[in-house]
Amino acid sequence: GQNIDQPTEMTATEGAIVQINCTYQTSGFNGLFWYQQHAGEAPTFLSYNVLDGLEEKGRFSSFLSRSKGYSYLLLKELQMKDSASYLCAVMDSNYQLIWGAGTKLIIKP
Amino acid sequence: GAVVSQHPSWVICKSGTSVKIECRSLDFQATTMFWYRQFPKQSLMLMATSNEGSKATYEQGVEKDKFLINHASLTLSTLTVTSAHPEDSSFYICSAREMTSGDTYEQYFGPGTRLTVT
Repeated sequence: GQNIDQPTEMTATEGAIVQINCTYQTSGFNGLFWYQQHAGEAPTFLSYNVLDGLEEKGRFSSFLSRSKGYSYLLLKELQMKDSASYLCAVMDSNYQLIWGAGTKLIIKP
Repeated sequence: GAVVSQHPSWVICKSGTSVKIECRSLDFQATTMFWYRQFPKQSLMLMATSNEGSKATYEQGVEKDKFLINHASLTLSTLTVTSAHPEDSSFYICSAREMTSGDTYEQYFGPGTRLTVT
């Protein structure tokens, strides 16, 4: 079966750095996405990785290792507005997105 | 970037009635649209995938006669919840896929529709 694992909840301090991990087992791989979702709102796109390595975009970076079935989202200089759920999703061989359950990130002052 | 709109943003209806939700891609053509449902504190659950001009493909456990999907044009898909019941109360989100020049297959999400059935 297909499976995406990520921690249910994480807590970090404003100004700090946090890394949210995601491991996956899917039938085929056509890229991994990270989305941010604030409560009561739809997800918004953060990053896309299809090749191994680190993609940096401002305060957010995403890493992928296809051989390990592993990705992480790194958030730097945390701000209170970063409190949200972070969803990891993998596009399988049928170009369908397989979603993780999401990681709720709580930022404390 | 690409924008997807959804209407209505929230709706309250009585049990037994039907509700139609519209999903539009505003500045791009979406050959594929997806309908998701999300219950509180849970992740997105894919309900169905619709391709313009053809029948929707429903996920296992989703009743096609209850959740009617029509993808009549490259910019519009509709989801109709028929004979709604309180257990259908949820956050319904659509997304539209545009193939980028880099073959990213990124999905753009609508703002969601919160349905409450009383």
